[in-house]
Amino acid sequence: DAKTTQPTSMDCAEGRAANLPCNHSTISGNEYVYWYRQIHSQGPQYIIHGLKNNETNEMASLIITEDRKSSTLILPHATLRDTAVYYCIVNLPGTASKLTFGTGTRLQVTL
Amino acid sequence: GAVVSQHPSWVICKSGTSVKIECRSLDFQATTMFWYRQFPKQSLMLMATSNEGSKATYEQGVEKDKFLINHASLTLSTLTVTSAHPEDSSFYICSAAGQGLEAFFGQGTRLTVV
Repeated sequence: DAKTTQPTSMDCAEGRAANLPCNHSTISGNEYVYWYRQIHSQGPQYIIHGLKNNETNEMASLIITEDRKSSTLILPHATLRDTAVYYCIVNLPGTASKLTFGTGTRLQVTL
Repeated sequence: GAVVSQHPSWVICKSGTSVKIECRSLDFQATTMFWYRQFPKQSLMLMATSNEGSKATYEQGVEKDKFLINHASLTLSTLTVTSAHPEDSSFYICSAAGQGLEAFFGQGTRLTVV
């Protein structure tokens, strides 16, 4: 599995967009980029995933660079409830895959 | 997203006893389930992968005789911590994957061994 590099922590003001970067320079052609988040003392929550096109859902947008070596998760209007550790993971899809969690980015949303 | 229910959400047990944790996929069939452990201020560490109807595959360093995993149906997997000791105290989390591209996680079980 390709490894990812994320900043250890970030701050964001409530109501502003939170842009969380992730580097995955060794990603292979059939690996997807997944984003999960973990709010304190809870199980991880799936956010979004993508292969090479940008993706958007009700939670966030995922921007993947053309060379696929990096991506950015965008929370368009961060709220206090978005305070969590965000994990960027690259992995093969499907039932045979298993997620390897790095240290993630601790996002603190402030008033 | 799909719902994965984990039970209990927390448990306290005496040293030397066994504890069973259940993981259920409520609205989809999970052909593969994963068990993770998370110590305070650390990331999730994969313990084992279980496929319905077959033996679990354990990660290096995880004792299969201590952490018994059963995946008897497409919606239920159990993790039994046998002869628990205080160092087994941790946050245990399961995830389930079906035919889709993403895995979904349970809410976690906080085990405290006293």
